[in-house]
Amino acid sequence: QKEVEQDPGPLSVPEGAIVSLNCTYSNSAFQYFMWYRQYSRKGPELLMYTYSSGNKEDGRFTAQVDKSSKYISLFIRDSQPSDSATYLCAMSPYNNNDMRFGAGTRLTVKP
Amino acid sequence: DGGITQSPKYLFRKEGQNVTLSCEQNLNHDAMYWYRQDPGQGLRLIYYSQIVNDFQKGDIAEGYSVSREKKESFPLTVTSAQKNPTAFYLCASSAGGDTGELFFGEGSRLTVL
Repeated sequence: QKEVEQDPGPLSVPEGAIVSLNCTYSNSAFQYFMWYRQYSRKGPELLMYTYSSGNKEDGRFTAQVDKSSKYISLFIRDSQPSDSATYLCAMSPYNNNDMRFGAGTRLTVKP
Repeated sequence: DGGITQSPKYLFRKEGQNVTLSCEQNLNHDAMYWYRQDPGQGLRLIYYSQIVNDFQKGDIAEGYSVSREKKESFPLTVTSAQKNPTAFYLCASSAGGDTGELFFGEGSRLTVL
């Protein structure tokens, strides 16, 4: 079993839809949780960063962490074609050296 | 503009050849990392360095080597010992070894012919 599981998709939604992206994990020591966005043939860029359980909102993006269920989510409201990318979840127990990434979910938002 | 520059963007190599991928950063970050990205798999850590003249193996270091002679530079050599080198290679940096934002370069795609 992988330490971090993420449905690779692909996921296709119409413009304006609410998108839900998820990851599950097995290591209860993870306490730092991140979402990165990666456009085609580019490097990932940080979208959201949360520590421990709870919600965090930034504009159209909301990150949720449920440590009791070992489940994290990223919600995108009013999705735009420019949101079309691969979204990677990442998590770590202590520091960047131990960070684990999901395989990424490929999202397409159609105009 | 501050950031990470990787070169070359695309590279073709014959079997049995070593190849070196360049990574330069002007963010004044102490920590630098090399990851490998394959379809259907998460990023996997090859090597990392917290400080000049020091580096540590990651999860998949076999067949790779690195150096950190300058703070700004962290080149990766893919040796002929790496059995499946065709992949997308990403260099990243962070301000410290503690968990914080990783800044990634645009990647280098290596294809072995």
